[in-house]
Formats: sequence, C-alpha cells, structure tokens
Amino acid sequence: AQTVTQSQPEMSVQEAETVTLSCTYDTSESDYYLFWYKQPPSRQMILVIRQEAYKQQNATENRFSVNFQKAAKSFSLKISDSQLGDAAMYFCAYSSPNTGNQFYFGTGTSLTVIP
Amino acid sequence: EPEVTQTPSHQVTQMGQEVILRCVPISNHLYFYWYRQILGQKVEFLVSFYNNEISEKSEIFDDQFSVERPDGSNFTLKIRSTKLEDSAMYFCASSVQGTGNNSPLHFGNGTRLTVT
Repeated sequence: AQTVTQSQPEMSVQEAETVTLSCTYDTSESDYYLFWYKQPPSRQMILVIRQEAYKQQNATENRFSVNFQKAAKSFSLKISDSQLGDAAMYFCAYSSPNTGNQFYFGTGTSLTVIP
Repeated sequence: EPEVTQTPSHQVTQMGQEVILRCVPISNHLYFYWYRQILGQKVEFLVSFYNNEISEKSEIFDDQFSVERPDGSNFTLKIRSTKLEDSAMYFCASSVQGTGNNSPLHFGNGTRLTVT
C-alpha cells in the first residue's frame, strides 16, 4: 500500500521568511500525483499545489513551490515570504490511477508563523 | 468560487444512536467522498461514490456506515449505531473526475462528531 510520511509534526517560521515542509512517499507506481493541502483553524482542507509525477518541472503557485525528487520519492513544499495567514496544518497527499479514487494523506505538519 | 458545504458543523450523540451527516457537493462534480480524521491522526479514506453507487470503500467503512444521494444535491453519510471510536472530524469531498485522473479533491469544512 502507498504510504505518505511527513516527519515534521510541527514547524515554525518568522513572518516574511521561507520555510520548507518535508514529505516522502512510498510507491511502486510510475504514474501518480502529489498534492499539498492546507487546513487552517477554519478546518476546511484547501488545495495549495499539485504535481504530476511525469512532469520534471517543479510546480509553483505564487509563494508556494515544490521540490519534487522522483528518484528519492520526496515532495517538499517551500513557502516563501511567509504570512500570518499561512499558519495552518499542511497535509501531503498521493493518488494514482491505480489507487482508484483514494487519496493517501500524511499525518500533517503544523506550521506556526511568528510575527 | 463554488464550495462543498457540510452540516452540521458539530454533532454530539450518545453511543448507539444513529447520526446522519450531510453534504452538498459542488454542482458539476461527479465523484463524492467521505474522509475521516480522528483527532491528532491522519485523514483517512472512507468511501467514494459515483453514478449513484459506491465505487470504493475502505476497511473502516463497515456495515454500520452507509451513504446516499437522496436527491440531486445532497450526499449523506449515515452511521447506524455510533461507537465511541467513531468520534472524529468527517470531511465530505467532491471532484470533477475520479482522483485517479489527477482530479483534486475539494473538501467541505467538516463535521465534528462527538460520541459520548
């Protein structure tokens, strides 16, 4: 079964600084998709960014970017110019054509932004 | 932007009681899901629903659970006889296509179920 590991239960960053959240995954598939979701105190899970495994170029969405290392099965999230509103729980997730309609989530990283 | 909406936001029930959690998926989405998050643990897949039937379910989704799309907009999760260990946050989600086609999940705000 696919597993997603987030080894940092908690992280903190100074406002305006950059922080990187780690995610590794285990799969034997070659075609798959990776996602980062944000869960603020409001509880809603919001899609931050996604990456298709067949794409070599790292995905970028404004201040959010990923470092996708397919051989290492690593998918880290970089948040630049951190803002107070970035404080949330961040979940890494995996899906593939062979996992049907299931997403596999990591245990999450709680990010604190220090003013 | 269209949203997935869930009601109620918090449900308290006694052990052994039946609960129904309600969701309104995004209107043009075809796939619907329920996920569960026990406090402090990872988000876990329960069930996916497509074309008015369950397409997949996890081991968690046993005979106590059922889902239904009673009309064109609502998608419900019923727990027939709640147990203490059913206490969790329940998230409804929807997607345009199945997630195996790189279609992201759009989540609701969740229903916090507390079983006493």
